[in-house]
Amino acid sequence: DTGVSQDPRHKITKRGQNVTFRCDPISEHNRLYWYRQTLGQGPEFLTYFQNEAQLEKSRLLSDRFSAERPKGSFSTLEIQRTEQGDSAMYLCASSLGMGHTDTQYFGPGTRLTVL
Amino acid sequence: DAKTTQPTSMDCAEGRAANLPCNHSTISGNEYVYWYRQIHSQGPQYIIHGLKNNETNEMASLIITEDRKSSTLILPHATLRDTAVYYCIVSLSLRGGSNYKLTFGKGTLLTVNP
Repeated sequence: DTGVSQDPRHKITKRGQNVTFRCDPISEHNRLYWYRQTLGQGPEFLTYFQNEAQLEKSRLLSDRFSAERPKGSFSTLEIQRTEQGDSAMYLCASSLGMGHTDTQYFGPGTRLTVL
Repeated sequence: DAKTTQPTSMDCAEGRAANLPCNHSTISGNEYVYWYRQIHSQGPQYIIHGLKNNETNEMASLIITEDRKSSTLILPHATLRDTAVYYCIVSLSLRGGSNYKLTFGKGTLLTVNP
């Protein structure tokens, strides 16, 4: 499978714990995006990387959230001191970053439940 | 990015064409129309996109009106597996600006019935 992969697919944690999610983009895709989706809503943009540089962060990304893409390949999203409001599906997408348009392809998501 | 308006839900009989409308009256000249769909508990799946000409691929056809203020996604022969939430999104082209953010609305829940 050469699509975007995410790990884990599901995570259950207790309030106050730290969690980390991983995203592996499509090979040779320069851009990587993180979105969050809560029940009944469409995905909301969190942050975006061009290679290893984080170029945009949404106001939704509080200080407890940090994302990295150290070598311009895979990315991690860490949430510190989780809260019940962090329960959501966390989606990763990647795109080539070239041409007239730049289609984003999404992974299957990581569903986080904070108890 | 321009805002889009879609019906909350639609039904379609299996084997028939599903026509999903989208209004984007404030679209600007360098914004593309993208369609994604999301089957329950999965990530969004890219379907098709276009600027001003009609487009067709193996999944669907996209019809954009001449004034570009609305579009229709057509699934020619809907199957039960096409039941999903369909999102219409307008987004700046790479040359027109930073195409880094997709703004999703609530989309249209298409239910294909046997």
